[in-house]
Amino acid sequence: EAQVTQNPRYLITVTGKKLTVTCSQNMNHEYMSWYRQDPGLGLRQIYYSMNVEVTDKGDVPEGYKVSRKEKRNFPLILESPSPNQTSLYFCASSPRSLTGRDTEAFFGQGTRLTVV
Amino acid sequence: ILNVEQSPQSLHVQEGDSTNFTCSFPSSNFYALHWYRWETAKSPEALFVMTLNGDEKKKGRISATLNTKEGYSYLYIKGSQPEDSATYLCAFLSGSARQLTFGSGTQLTVLP
Repeated sequence: EAQVTQNPRYLITVTGKKLTVTCSQNMNHEYMSWYRQDPGLGLRQIYYSMNVEVTDKGDVPEGYKVSRKEKRNFPLILESPSPNQTSLYFCASSPRSLTGRDTEAFFGQGTRLTVV
Repeated sequence: ILNVEQSPQSLHVQEGDSTNFTCSFPSSNFYALHWYRWETAKSPEALFVMTLNGDEKKKGRISATLNTKEGYSYLYIKGSQPEDSATYLCAFLSGSARQLTFGSGTQLTVLP
């Protein structure tokens, strides 16, 4: 089954304790991205990757890191989480850059992160 | 950061009612407009990707129109059912951007 898989689905952690949220897609997609969703705000892009070893900042990259060593995986790293990073996080992928017409994004099921 | 607005923020309708909501986006440098349906505890799923001014797309009881010159898109649901309850997100892709800019969504609740 074609899917984007995120782990964990839920995570409670303490301030300053490094964590990684994994994202994997099995559709051979080139483009992957991370979003955070906060009440009253739309999905805001954190980082995106056009292909292996190519990553770039989105609208809200502060406090996050990513890597794209393999096509299928795009982990999100919080080196020193803080309470303002408490949010719902989504990973998404698409076959190529979204500038391909009719190209939609495929989303994971989300990771709800609480930083206390 | 581009401004994409959705209205209303939330909406309650009775089963069987038809409803519609709006997505407003910048009218310049348009490339594509996406609609996604997001049910609680699930992944957002694409409904439509619209690229041409005047586009109309339909999937079952749900349809969407696009006006790129004035910068808006409408999503219509005919004969709403409880299973239509979800948050509907629109996302704008400009010609110069490599990322989608999302609106904050319209949360629809269909009451049986």
